[in-house]
Amino acid sequence: DQQVKQNSPSLSVQEGRISILNCDYTNSMFDYFLWYKKYPAEGPTFLISISSIKDKNEDGRFTVFLNKSAKHLSLHIVPSQPGDSAVYFCAARTNNAGNMLTFGGGTRLMVKP
Amino acid sequence: NAGVMQNPRHLVRRRGQEARLRCSPMKGHSHVYWYRQLPEEGLKFMVYLQKENIIDESGMPKERFSAEFPKEGPSILRIQQVVRGDSAAYFCASSPTLLSGGITDTQYFGPGTRLTVL
Repeated sequence: DQQVKQNSPSLSVQEGRISILNCDYTNSMFDYFLWYKKYPAEGPTFLISISSIKDKNEDGRFTVFLNKSAKHLSLHIVPSQPGDSAVYFCAARTNNAGNMLTFGGGTRLMVKP
Repeated sequence: NAGVMQNPRHLVRRRGQEARLRCSPMKGHSHVYWYRQLPEEGLKFMVYLQKENIIDESGMPKERFSAEFPKEGPSILRIQQVVRGDSAAYFCASSPTLLSGGITDTQYFGPGTRLTVL
């Protein structure tokens, strides 16, 4: 049972435009959400996070939105740059299950120059 | 401040051999996590350790896998009698303990060890 799902395996965007990556979850006990970026042959790099008590968090070109009623979060990157091309994972933490993260399957973002 | 270190980066083993993967957390971090990523999948939690203690091993296979985080030295993930299905990328992450005694929510990952079982 996949508790965190990223339904789009890939996304292609033109440089300068907005990239929107989506993530859905089923476990209402998740209280903290994170986005990681991963290049081939490297470990995931932390990008941005959001607590379940908020609905938006912004850091530079990256904004994460959380819709708790829909159990949906999204990552917006604007403007997109070719260096943003990578696999993006959303992850969630449960407030009563230690500190383990549950990851989605990832979305491969390709930003075309 | 060096990031999370993992070695080796690549490890090739034959079926039945043992694999030892090492992880040194970021300086000042006392919480270590191991995750496994199979090809074309997301990362799956395996185990969460603090110094000398296993806190949560709910993601660890019951047989052949073990983990430790001794008082001195790196955390070790050990896989005995490896099989082809163990071939994967194994990632270690660490997080600090807050001055208040809580745990930060963000985990920082190492570059991973890619295990290939022939």
